[in-house]
Amino acid sequence: AQSVTQPDIHITVSEGASLELRCNYSYGATPYLFWYVQSPGQGLQLLLKYFSGDTLVQGIKGFEAEFKRSQSSFNLRKPSVHWSDAAEYFCAVGDPNDYKLSFGAGTTVTVRA
Amino acid sequence: NAGVTQTPKFRVLKTGQSMTLLCAQDMNHEYMYWYRQDPGMGLRLIHYSVGEGTTAKGEVPDGYNVSRLKKQNFLLGLESAAPSQTSVYFCASSYSHDRPAREQYFGPGTRLTVT
Repeated sequence: AQSVTQPDIHITVSEGASLELRCNYSYGATPYLFWYVQSPGQGLQLLLKYFSGDTLVQGIKGFEAEFKRSQSSFNLRKPSVHWSDAAEYFCAVGDPNDYKLSFGAGTTVTVRA
Repeated sequence: NAGVTQTPKFRVLKTGQSMTLLCAQDMNHEYMYWYRQDPGMGLRLIHYSVGEGTTAKGEVPDGYNVSRLKKQNFLLGLESAAPSQTSVYFCASSYSHDRPAREQYFGPGTRLTVT
């Protein structure tokens, strides 16, 4: 079974600064990979996804993620953070032959002015 | 197109009471899921369904039951609520087509408190 680790529980970043959120997964082959964002009191919204092909994936809200097979990682990045990016971010991994996703514990991002 | 909706949004139960959470999706998705979210633990899968009339256990199924009588609805039941079931519950759905592990679409959540 697959598993996901998000090493950073909480990150604080200044508005306008760059952001990188780490995600490491455990899976025998190439999984499906996702990043979701959850604003306070809201459900989860898909930011981006990776199934195959180009390892650099562009998403909504100016986010991108890079799949690195050798490191079993799928880190999320944003060049310049806005105050509205303050939220909790979840990485998820799925088995291409299964119906379920495994989620990481999440990283909370605080944006300071 | 409302996507995934959940009712109720909030609920407070006393220990031993029962309740049903309703999830509805209008995207004609085959798969539906129930998760619970607890601080520091991410989302954990309770039960899921791969089609009308089918259900299966997820990671944390104890104390919950589900039913999928109609394709668009997925019900989560708590027969005898316990304080340990205090959580935020999310429903999600996804499309089956030719890639089972497609992205999941989430509802807004139900915040349940059991006293």
